[in-house]
Amino acid sequence: AAGVIQSPRHLIKEKRETATLKCYPIPRHDTVYWYQQGPGQDPQFLISFYEKMQSDKGSIPDRFSAQQFSDYHSELNMSSLELGDSALYFCASSLVGGSAPEAFFGQGTRLTVV
Amino acid sequence: QKEVEQDPGPLSVPEGAIVSLNCTYSNSAFQYFMWYRQYSRKGPELLMYTYSSGNKEDGRFTAQVDKSSKYISLFIRDSQPSDSATYLCATIKAAGNKLTFGGGTRVLVKP
Repeated sequence: AAGVIQSPRHLIKEKRETATLKCYPIPRHDTVYWYQQGPGQDPQFLISFYEKMQSDKGSIPDRFSAQQFSDYHSELNMSSLELGDSALYFCASSLVGGSAPEAFFGQGTRLTVV
Repeated sequence: QKEVEQDPGPLSVPEGAIVSLNCTYSNSAFQYFMWYRQYSRKGPELLMYTYSSGNKEDGRFTAQVDKSSKYISLFIRDSQPSDSATYLCATIKAAGNKLTFGGGTRVLVKP
């Protein structure tokens, strides 16, 4: 079965640079979530989209923005990168329209800011 | 205080033992309860979800929810070394809502 696809899997950026992370949800899923996971921590919610509209916002820095496109893929844009942004970034998707609560995660993008 | 609390472990058990994992939560609005398994540097993998109080079984895994005491449990029977991972409990208020995670429990099953 198709899973959530994230790209790139690894990314190394310098401070103050910009990074773009991509997420391709499971086909027919209508909701995408972004999470940030630091070392030894549980995933922290950043932002979510339902049917291409922002549905919820968590602890996402103003330097970050995200959107969901007409084909339901999503991109997380991160500007003015800081060392503290180094983390695993996960995308998850679910099918809310079917009232299914399960969210499935991708394999993540490991961002290292140097 | 976190809305969902989970003992960080690590929890070390011999192969074949029963692994018992627990979480407590504080918000009565949480309706769905999920367990994820996460191997090092991998994405969380959904194991099970439950909605109502009671038990749900899937193979070697049993999830329990007691909404009256706001207590969530996961039991792994006949544990295997391949079960060594971090287990995360998570809750949501409704489908489509963000997941609120416990901190995760690291489990080590020794051969």
